Amino acid sequence: ETGVTQSPTHLIKTRGQQVTLRCSSQSGHNTVSWYQQALGQGPQFIFQYYREEENGRGNFPPRFSGLQFPNYSSELNVNALELDDSALYLCASSLAPGSYNSPLHFGNGTRLTVT
Amino acid sequence: RKEVEQDPGPFNVPEGATVAFNCTYSNSASQSFFWYRQDCRKEPKLLMSVYSSGNEDGRFTAQLNRASQYISLLIRDSKLSDSATYLCVVPNNAGNMLTFGGGTRLMVKP
Repeated sequence: ETGVTQSPTHLIKTRGQQVTLRCSSQSGHNTVSWYQQALGQGPQFIFQYYREEENGRGNFPPRFSGLQFPNYSSELNVNALELDDSALYLCASSLAPGSYNSPLHFGNGTRLTVT
Repeated sequence: RKEVEQDPGPFNVPEGATVAFNCTYSNSASQSFFWYRQDCRKEPKLLMSVYSSGNEDGRFTAQLNRASQYISLLIRDSKLSDSATYLCVVPNNAGNMLTFGGGTRLMVKP
């Protein structure tokens, strides 16, 4: 069983640039959620994708956008990067959108540094 | 009041000790809860689910107090390998969004 994989593992960007992060879900999982984790804090929910549609969004501005593909892999795009966007970006997949009986399986994350 | 609140610690305990963490939550309608463990610079991993009054798995016991809106995690006979950050997690009513606490850092010393 292949776990959740994310790429790249590390990334350095300049303020104002755009970035795309990628995630392959665990085999058999159709739901992908993205979280942002700043240093010393817990992860914060960005959004969730289910069957290629956004299925819930946290308190993040529209410059954070995403996609889910037919194979359930997903992308997170961030435009007009700001210094505060520096964080660990975690992708998690699950068997279904609701978490009660379908725990999240996280990838190793992408560490983004904005200078 | 924060949606999910934890004491950041660190809790420094000797091997073999018993340690407990509390987590308070604001949404009284929340039905289930999770504890995740996160090692330094790694991804969070599910430790335990709490659906009713509590759950026990080996040395780990999670308890839920709905009246006071808190969840606790008890670790007995602490091991060096238990050193990590423990994240309290509360799903929203739809279950599609998890709200994480800030985490409690545990350091188990020889």
